[in-house]
Amino acid sequence: AQSVTQPDIHITVSEGASLELRCNYSYGATPYLFWYVQSPGQGLQLLLKYFSGDTLVQGIKGFEAEFKRSQSSFNLRKPSVHWSDAAEYFCAVINNDYKLSFGAGTTVTVRA
Amino acid sequence: NAGVTQTPKFQVLKTGQSMTLQCAQDMNHNSMYWYRQDPGMGLRLIYYSASEGTTDKGEVPNGYNVSRLNKREFSLRLESAAPSQTSVYFCASSEKLIGEKLFFGSGTQLSVL
Repeated sequence: AQSVTQPDIHITVSEGASLELRCNYSYGATPYLFWYVQSPGQGLQLLLKYFSGDTLVQGIKGFEAEFKRSQSSFNLRKPSVHWSDAAEYFCAVINNDYKLSFGAGTTVTVRA
Repeated sequence: NAGVTQTPKFQVLKTGQSMTLQCAQDMNHNSMYWYRQDPGMGLRLIYYSASEGTTDKGEVPNGYNVSRLNKREFSLRLESAAPSQTSVYFCASSEKLIGEKLFFGSGTQLSVL
């Protein structure tokens, strides 16, 4: 079965510093991959998605992610974090049943 | 733009009580979903409806039932609530089932005592 692993439960980063969130997946074929963000008390919002083509994907809010087949990874990055980026981030993959399977999430804290 | 609307936002139940969570979307989406979110486990799919008139089980359907009332509305029912069903529940919708962006409601925080 397809699965998604987010190795980091919690990351703290200083405002203005760079951010990288890790995501590893297990899947036989080329996966459909997503990153979602959840602000406190809110539902999830799609940041970006990868289906095929260019392995560097640009998303909203200045985020990007890079698909690396050799490492089975789809890490999310942002060059300079803003306080408003404090949230929980979820990596997800379309599974064999054509539905999203989510990772456990990474909570990002931004310190001034 | 309302998007996906869930009611109620908060609910406390006693073990054995029943209740229905309501969800409506105004984007004319075909597919709708119910997820539960538990700490350290991400979101897990309870049930989904690929299109009006169809419903299917997800990863964790036990203890739940759903109804796709029409294209707009997709309700989740707990017939006999258990403490293990304490969770945050999210409804979501998408234009179609496969590979599409999901739009989420703001969630229902349910506590079963």
